[in-house]
Amino acid sequence: DQQVKQNSPSLSVQEGRISILNCDYTNSMFDYFLWYKKYPAEGPTFLISISSIKDKNEDGRFTVFLNKSAKHLSLHIVPSQPGDSAVYFCAATQGGSEKLVFGKGTKLTVNP
Amino acid sequence: KAGVTQTPRYLIKTRGQQVTLSCSPISGHRSVSWYQQTPGQGLQFLFEYFSETQRNKGNFPGRFSGRQFSNSRSEMNVSTLELGDSALYLCASSTLEGGTGELFFGEGSRLTVL
Repeated sequence: DQQVKQNSPSLSVQEGRISILNCDYTNSMFDYFLWYKKYPAEGPTFLISISSIKDKNEDGRFTVFLNKSAKHLSLHIVPSQPGDSAVYFCAATQGGSEKLVFGKGTKLTVNP
Repeated sequence: KAGVTQTPRYLIKTRGQQVTLSCSPISGHRSVSWYQQTPGQGLQFLFEYFSETQRNKGNFPGRFSGRQFSNSRSEMNVSTLELGDSALYLCASSTLEGGTGELFFGEGSRLTVL
């Protein structure tokens, strides 16, 4: 049973445009949601997070939106840059644990 | 500030052998967790340790075990290796006792089982 799902394995956008990565979850007990970025041959890098009591969190070019009623979150990158090309993982956790449940990732390619 | 260090970075074992992977967290981080990454299953949680105590364990067989030392360094062990254990094993550390999931990952140990 996959509690966190990223239904798009890949996404390609033009430099300067918006990238929107989507994630769905099934467990309503999750209280933190996170996005990680991973380059080849490196470990995942934390990007941005959002608490379940909020519906939006912004950090520079990155914004995460949370829709609890739909059990859906999205990551917006504006403007997209070629250096953003990586695999993006959505993750969730509950109850103060460091146990993260990850989606299977979306490979973002930003074309110059 | 040094990041999370994992050793060895690459290793090849044969079925039936055992393996021990090591992780040194960022200085000052007391929480260490381990994840397995495979193409089919993605990133899956193995264990979480805080102050030498296992706080959480993922859905893996008993062949997978771990521990944390008083200096926060951690090891994981896989006994009686199977082909399906071939994966990237990632260690992560955090400074938070109550997690919000902001983990710092190492580069991983890539295990190949032949």
